Amino acid sequence: KQEVTQIPAALSVPEGENLVLNCSFTDSAIYNLQWFRQDPGKGLTSLLLIQSSQREQTSGRLNASLDKSSGRSTLYIAASQPGDSATYLCAVEGNNDMRFGAGTRLTVKP
Amino acid sequence: EAGVAQSPRYKIIEKRQSVAFWCNPISGHATLYWYQQILGQGPKLLIQFQNNGVVDDSQLPKDRFSAERLKGVDSTLKIQPAKLEDSAVYLCASSSGPTNTEAFFGQGTRLTVV
Repeated sequence: KQEVTQIPAALSVPEGENLVLNCSFTDSAIYNLQWFRQDPGKGLTSLLLIQSSQREQTSGRLNASLDKSSGRSTLYIAASQPGDSATYLCAVEGNNDMRFGAGTRLTVKP
Repeated sequence: EAGVAQSPRYKIIEKRQSVAFWCNPISGHATLYWYQQILGQGPKLLIQFQNNGVVDDSQLPKDRFSAERLKGVDSTLKIQPAKLEDSAVYLCASSSGPTNTEAFFGQGTRLTVV
């Protein structure tokens, strides 16, 4: 059974800092890994999807990497802004199943 | 392109009552998911449909939860009777295929059982 873990559970940084969020999973037999953003009281917004054959994906100030063999992914956020404050969730898609981590709650202080 | 639509946004019911949630996926998306997200946790898959057939409902508490997707488009999720521990956000998502495609989520329905 796939287990997805996100560390840290919460992170607070000053505006302008570069930061890394971590996601680990126990079963490397995955189709893809997806990073989502969730604002309080809202649904999930897809940020980046990395196919199992890919190493990384970039969108603006976001860069996500995937090391399938070690069961790890990182989400790098450059030059963080207060508007980046949200909960970031990673989800791993395996056989007929997409499993989520518990998320990292990010606060970017002005 | 319209996103995944869910209603209602909020619902408060007493325990032992019944409740239903509705989801309209993105047009053309064959795969539809219902997730339960308890406060402070990641979403947990309840049921996955491919068109109007069930792909996975292994984590659906079938004694009280039911879901259907008539005609392979809209879906409803029902809880009867509700328990206090059912308080959560219920998220609907859709994707164009059953595997290896990007999933898009609705705003969710926040259920409070008192």
